[in-house]
Amino acid sequence: NAGVTQTPKFRILKIGQSMTLQCTQDMNHNYMYWYRQDPGMGLKLIYYSVGAGITDKGEVPNGYNVSRSTTEDFPLRLELAAPSQTSVYFCASSQGLAGITDTQYFGPGTRLTVL
Amino acid sequence: QKEVEQNSGPLSVPEGAIASLNCTYSDRVSQSFFWYRQYSGKSPELIMSIYSNGDKEDGRFTAQLNKASQYVSLLIRDSQPSDSATYLCAVNKGEYGNKLVFGAGTILRVKS
Repeated sequence: NAGVTQTPKFRILKIGQSMTLQCTQDMNHNYMYWYRQDPGMGLKLIYYSVGAGITDKGEVPNGYNVSRSTTEDFPLRLELAAPSQTSVYFCASSQGLAGITDTQYFGPGTRLTVL
Repeated sequence: QKEVEQNSGPLSVPEGAIASLNCTYSDRVSQSFFWYRQYSGKSPELIMSIYSNGDKEDGRFTAQLNKASQYVSLLIRDSQPSDSATYLCAVNKGEYGNKLVFGAGTILRVKS
């Protein structure tokens, strides 16, 4: 199993450009998540999904969009990139066990710089 | 008040010593607690999870949970230079989506 994979690893965008960060998991997990991590900070949840066709906002959703058409894929779309979106983006997945024992597994991250 | 608070460090310990990392959380409904290790430039890696009050041991790692005090800690025995990393405390409140709230992390440095 590759686990959670993300592409690209690095990207530099100009202000106002758009891009899609790709995330794929091969663990047949129901739940998927997008986080961003700014320097010296913890991870903040952008969006999450509990299954194909179901997505919802996290703590910091502004400027981002997501979709989930399959169990495996959960792309994150940035529209009109701004310098404030410079960050490291992590995708994660979990089985979606009810209650407290659900564990999230993280992808390798995408380092995005907006200039 | 932040939902999950950690001392940012750095915490410096000599090789072979016990490293003690602490985390407090504000929401009493929090149900499960996780410690992730993150090396510089890498993704978070799960080390321990704990759900019940008391201690949970796994090799050199022990997680301790006190829900009454809203406090969770991670002890690393026989610390090694390879343990040098940022340790993130994360809390699951059991809400729909099993979302995690992360602390900012504690930097641990183990000196040989």
